Amino acid sequence: KAGVTQTPRYLIKTRGQQVTLSCSPISGHRSVSWYQQTPGQGLQFLFEYFSETQRNKGNFPGRFSGRQFSNSRSEMNVSTLELGDSALYLCASSLDARYEQYFGPGTRLTVT
Amino acid sequence: GIQVEQSPPDLILQEGANSTLRCNFSDSVNNLQWFHQNPWGQLINLFYIPSGTKQNGRLSATTVATERYSLLYISSSQTTDSGVYFCAVGNTGNQFYFGTGTSLTVIP
Repeated sequence: KAGVTQTPRYLIKTRGQQVTLSCSPISGHRSVSWYQQTPGQGLQFLFEYFSETQRNKGNFPGRFSGRQFSNSRSEMNVSTLELGDSALYLCASSLDARYEQYFGPGTRLTVT
Repeated sequence: GIQVEQSPPDLILQEGANSTLRCNFSDSVNNLQWFHQNPWGQLINLFYIPSGTKQNGRLSATTVATERYSLLYISSSQTTDSGVYFCAVGNTGNQFYFGTGTSLTVIP
C-alpha cells in the first residue's frame, strides 16, 4: 500500500507571496491532518479534515487555510507569507483521528 | 489542550547500551504514538500504544493510561537509532499533541 505523499518536497517563496501544499493520504484513509514544525515551536497542529469537513483547527492566523477533496486529498494554503512561516509542513493520514496516524515526508518551505 | 512532557530532552549513549524514554501527559487519551524522526524530517511510526505493552525487535513500549505516562525502551542501541523521538497523544478533539522530543545520540 502506498504511503502518504506530499508535494512539493521543497519550496522557496518570497515574503508576501502565497503557497499551496498538497497531501495525498493512504488509500482508504478519510482523515487528513496538517502540522507545522519549527525549531522554536516544535510540532504544532494546524487543522484536521474528515470527509471534506474541517473538524478542528489549531491556533494559527486566518492566513492558513485548507481543504479536502472528495478523494480525501488535501491542500493547505498560506497567503501573504511571512519569514516566520518558514518551516517543515507535515501531513498525516488515518482512518479517523483516534487511530494510528501515518505521516508524509513533509514539505520544507523557506520564505525569504 | 493536552500537555505532553518528554524526558530526558537529550541523551548520549555508547553503542550497545540500553535506554528508557519517558512521556507524561496531562489528560486522558485515546491515542498515543511514538515516532522516530529521521534526518530528512519524516516521522517514522514506532508504536501505536494508547495502553498496554508492545515489542518490536530491540524496541518496546508501555503505556499506563490511568497514570498518564508512556515509556519507550531501546535495548542494545545502535548508531542508526540516533535521532529525535517524539511522543504524541490525542483524545476526542481530532488532533495530536506532540511532546518536545528526546534527542538521542548513539556513539560507536
